[in-house]
Amino acid sequence: DADVTQTPRNRITKTGKRIMLECSQTKGHDRMYWYRQDPGLGLRLIYYSFDVKDINKGEISDGYSVSRQAQAKFSLSLESAIPNQTALYFCATRGGDYEQYFGPGTRLTVT
Amino acid sequence: GDSVTQMEGPVTLSEEAFLTINCTYTATGYPSLFWYVQYPGEGLQLLLKATKADDKGSNKGFEATYRKETTSFHLEKGSVQVSDSAVYFCALTGSNFGNEKLTFGTGTRLTIIP
Repeated sequence: DADVTQTPRNRITKTGKRIMLECSQTKGHDRMYWYRQDPGLGLRLIYYSFDVKDINKGEISDGYSVSRQAQAKFSLSLESAIPNQTALYFCATRGGDYEQYFGPGTRLTVT
Repeated sequence: GDSVTQMEGPVTLSEEAFLTINCTYTATGYPSLFWYVQYPGEGLQLLLKATKADDKGSNKGFEATYRKETTSFHLEKGSVQVSDSAVYFCALTGSNFGNEKLTFGTGTRLTIIP
């Protein structure tokens, strides 16, 4: 089984809808991250969490919120989706070394 | 702030050709440097890393050397295979405690033709 899983893998939604992307990990890591990937822009950090009680904004947090329900679960919400939030979203974890472990991604389309 | 500049793609090579993907960075202190690879339809996987100057990271025939004097971390492979076709990302993370951000380059798409 994969160490970092994301659901759903693909989602099409309409402008103004609320949507939640979920991430679960079995690596036992405290640190978790949400990134978005856009063509030609690489990956950009949305939010990150050091542990259940410590959540921090990344470089592009506007329009997003997160919830760390447990050490293993970190959810990303779009309260009112807009078309320019169409992107590929990745969850990642980090352990004691500097390596980040990525999930398979969620492809989100906002129409 | 920190930034990573990498060679724009796409790059197309024939099988067994020599590969170089250039990466330079701007950062304060002594960042750790990484190359990640993204195969079609998958998430990113760490390919190799180097955590201090002059370190050489290597994996699967790929190599990159942390050059502080030129602020570079170029990716090389002596003989590429079709299975190396993917998008490659250079990245860094800061050296300060609590600096969690992985700063990525924009990615280089590599296609290897038989």
